[in-house]
Amino acid sequence: GQNIDQPTEMTATEGAIVQINCTYQTSGFNGLFWYQQHAGEAPTFLSYNVLDGLEEKGRFSSFLSRSKGYSYLLLKELQMKDSASYLCAVRGGYSTLTFGKGTMLLVSP
Amino acid sequence: GAVVSQHPSWVICKSGTSVKIECRSLDFQATTMFWYRQFPKQSLMLMATSNEGSKATYEQGVEKDKFLINHASLTLSTLTVTSAHPEDSSFYICSARAGGPLEQYFGPGTRLTVT
Repeated sequence: GQNIDQPTEMTATEGAIVQINCTYQTSGFNGLFWYQQHAGEAPTFLSYNVLDGLEEKGRFSSFLSRSKGYSYLLLKELQMKDSASYLCAVRGGYSTLTFGKGTMLLVSP
Repeated sequence: GAVVSQHPSWVICKSGTSVKIECRSLDFQATTMFWYRQFPKQSLMLMATSNEGSKATYEQGVEKDKFLINHASLTLSTLTVTSAHPEDSSFYICSARAGGPLEQYFGPGTRLTVT
């Protein structure tokens, strides 16, 4: 089976750095994705990790440790528009994506 | 980038009626399309996976006779919610895969409300 855990909510201040953690137990592993989803909208792709280590893309970075079943999404220089839900998703053995419940991030001034 | 459209973006229907939702890949051919359902403050739950020209594979707990999926072409998949009930009210999102692991694109979603 698949189990993906991430915090339900987080708050942070504009300009700050926030780290959103994700742990997973899955049958098979073919990569971990992070998506951003604003309310009432479809998810948009942020990052993809299949090998251990850090992937950096502008203000967003994502880290993966396959042996620990652990990933995090790091958001730097937070902006108000970063307030959204962040979804951790794992592609398992059958190549389908399983999503975590999402972490609602609220950025305050 | 690749674009996936859904139609309608929102729909209200009466209990007992059927509703069809279309998912189209606009500028690429989708080898596989996925249908997800998302309840408020919940994650996306995969309902079914469909490949063009073959029967959809449904996830456990999803009634295939209630949620009819037709993947008629490489650019179009439809989800029909038959005999809709208020508990079917949800946000339905389709996703289309072009090929590689990163090439999965999401539609804008369809908000279904059953009264």
